[in-house]
Amino acid sequence: GAVVSQHPSWVICKSGTSVKIECRSLDFQATTMFWYRQFPKQSLMLMATSNEGSKATYEQGVEKDKFLINHASLTLSTLTVTSAHPEDSSFYICSAGQGETQYFGPGTRLLVL
Amino acid sequence: AQSVTQPDIHITVSEGASLELRCNYSYGATPYLFWYVQSPGQGLQLLLKYFSGDTLVQGIKGFEAEFKRSQSSFNLRKPSVHWSDAAEYFCAVGLTTDSWGKFQFGAGTQVVVTP
Repeated sequence: GAVVSQHPSWVICKSGTSVKIECRSLDFQATTMFWYRQFPKQSLMLMATSNEGSKATYEQGVEKDKFLINHASLTLSTLTVTSAHPEDSSFYICSAGQGETQYFGPGTRLLVL
Repeated sequence: AQSVTQPDIHITVSEGASLELRCNYSYGATPYLFWYVQSPGQGLQLLLKYFSGDTLVQGIKGFEAEFKRSQSSFNLRKPSVHWSDAAEYFCAVGLTTDSWGKFQFGAGTQVVVTP
């Protein structure tokens, strides 16, 4: 079946640095991808919709300048956490799909020290 | 506002026993309902979905779910669990058909399977 990959699978960074997370659809093209955030023992919260060739759409309460999203091609979306702080530590998950069938990446665990 | 409630945070079940995971939703329109399973190191995997029609939906891995509009519920069941069913299960509502992939997820239910 379709596969969505994420890179890196985990990352540790210092406070104040920026971190880029990649989401790739491996065997299909995706004009739209989605970014979720999951805190420990909590549900996934939709952060934004990544649109190929145009600006991302952010959910209410998500800082667009903090979480930069770029969808430069039909198979790649990137999420950059800028000037990361410890409260940004979380599990970030992307998804992409074909119609109502969505495929989720394995997630990226970010730890900001 | 839409909401999805999974009342059980954690369930322990013996291998071979039946399993039922509860899900209640609050949604103004006809809901598009999903169950996903999350295993460590793997992405969420779709178990089944309900859009319309027969209210009893069959999914993968022997799972089924029943949509009950009167109770605003979409409970997931499996007659006989296997050790490999230990995972986190999420119920979700599709927020829009204009952009599939926008979900409201429940808090999840952790399933532990004992020998």
